[in-house]
Amino acid sequence: DTAVSQTPKYLVTQMGNDKSIKCEQNLGHDTMYWYKQDSKKFLKIMFSYNNKELIINETVPNRFSPKSPDKAHLNLHINSLELGDSAVYFCASSRTRGNTEAFFGQGTRLTVV
Amino acid sequence: QQQVKQSPQSLIVQKGGISIINCAYENTAFDYFPWYQQFPGKGPALLIAIRPDVSEKKEGRFTISFNKSAKQFSLHIMDSQPGDSATYFCAASFSGSARQLTFGSGTQLTVLP
Repeated sequence: DTAVSQTPKYLVTQMGNDKSIKCEQNLGHDTMYWYKQDSKKFLKIMFSYNNKELIINETVPNRFSPKSPDKAHLNLHINSLELGDSAVYFCASSRTRGNTEAFFGQGTRLTVV
Repeated sequence: QQQVKQSPQSLIVQKGGISIINCAYENTAFDYFPWYQQFPGKGPALLIAIRPDVSEKKEGRFTISFNKSAKQFSLHIMDSQPGDSATYFCAASFSGSARQLTFGSGTQLTVLP
């Protein structure tokens, strides 16, 4: 069983489109995250949710909107996609907001053309 | 501002050799220092972690050395194997940050057979 699963794994879309990436964790964790990995492999936190509540919102464009329907799911919706949004997006979870170990999904490679 | 600086960017080691990756941090509030291992097409996975109250932690062939006064920590991989070839990320977090991870820039390790 996959602990943190993301769909889709690959996403190719045109500039200006709106797309969503879904994430689900079956670990029973309270806290979920979205990280962005750029072309140089640099990983940076975007958002964090704890029990469906937004607790971290780093400086990302308003075009990015996370949504957590329940504590096992954290989806990422991106409006008006731009070329610079091309990256690998990772969902992660940890047992609690104070817990140290984060479990990552396999990533979604987004390519904007 | 890059709060965790990692070097080298890439490292080539012969099988059986020792791989050493170094990181330096700026924020003295950091109290948790993990290393993550990432294989191509996969998400990062926790390898080993240390807290600043100890100077060294060893798990199998992997050792973290921590120097609090110098604000530096390093990963040593003993008897490096081709299967260790991956990208390694150091990271840091502190309890007031909902445990979001601040990552280093990554080191691409290649172990030659």
